Amino acid sequence: EAGVVQSPRYKIIEKKQPVAFWCNPISGHNTLYWYLQNLGQGPELLIRYENEEAVDDSQLPKDRFSAERLKGVDSTLKIQPAELGDSAVYLCASSLDMDAEAFFGQGTRLTVV
Amino acid sequence: ELKVEQNPLFLSMQEGKNYTIYCNYSTTSDRLYWYRQDPGKSLESLFVLLSNGAVKQEGRLMASLDTKARLSTLHITAAVHDLSATYFCAVGPPSGTYKYIFGTGTRLKVLA
Repeated sequence: EAGVVQSPRYKIIEKKQPVAFWCNPISGHNTLYWYLQNLGQGPELLIRYENEEAVDDSQLPKDRFSAERLKGVDSTLKIQPAELGDSAVYLCASSLDMDAEAFFGQGTRLTVV
Repeated sequence: ELKVEQNPLFLSMQEGKNYTIYCNYSTTSDRLYWYRQDPGKSLESLFVLLSNGAVKQEGRLMASLDTKARLSTLHITAAVHDLSATYFCAVGPPSGTYKYIFGTGTRLKVLA
């Protein structure tokens, strides 16, 4: 069974440029998360979806970050414009529901120069 | 605000030794998760603890949850080099919120 698939794995962009990340969760998983992980730290939740509804986006910097989960399956996370401080690993995870364990994708390592 | 603290942050131990990693959290929750992360890799789910007194074991790792003390432990028995990784605990959302909070992580190095 395929796990959570993210693309791209790596992305290097100049500051002020836009960037987008894509996530395909495990089939049948209703809950999808986007996390940000800085080096040497634990993941921090950016946004959580229940099907296509964003139920917690309080940590998402809405002035530059946006996310969508069309049809309650795949999701995209966008940053526009990117700043130097956005350099991090962006992890997508999915779970059957909010109580179940989350399965993580490989992440996208973003470097903003 | 929910805070999750792990202790120790770094742990270097000899093969064959036992040790415990602690995860303390600051507010009511009865859901706790343990994950493993190898360098440059994503997070792998180890244990899901969903009630007070829950204990789960897999190989040389055993996790427990005490919701009254707001404490979870991850015990390592007879460590082997392959257990070297960073271990995170994550606390499920307190009542009325939807925020999962990860701990600071414990970087474990098992020396041969």
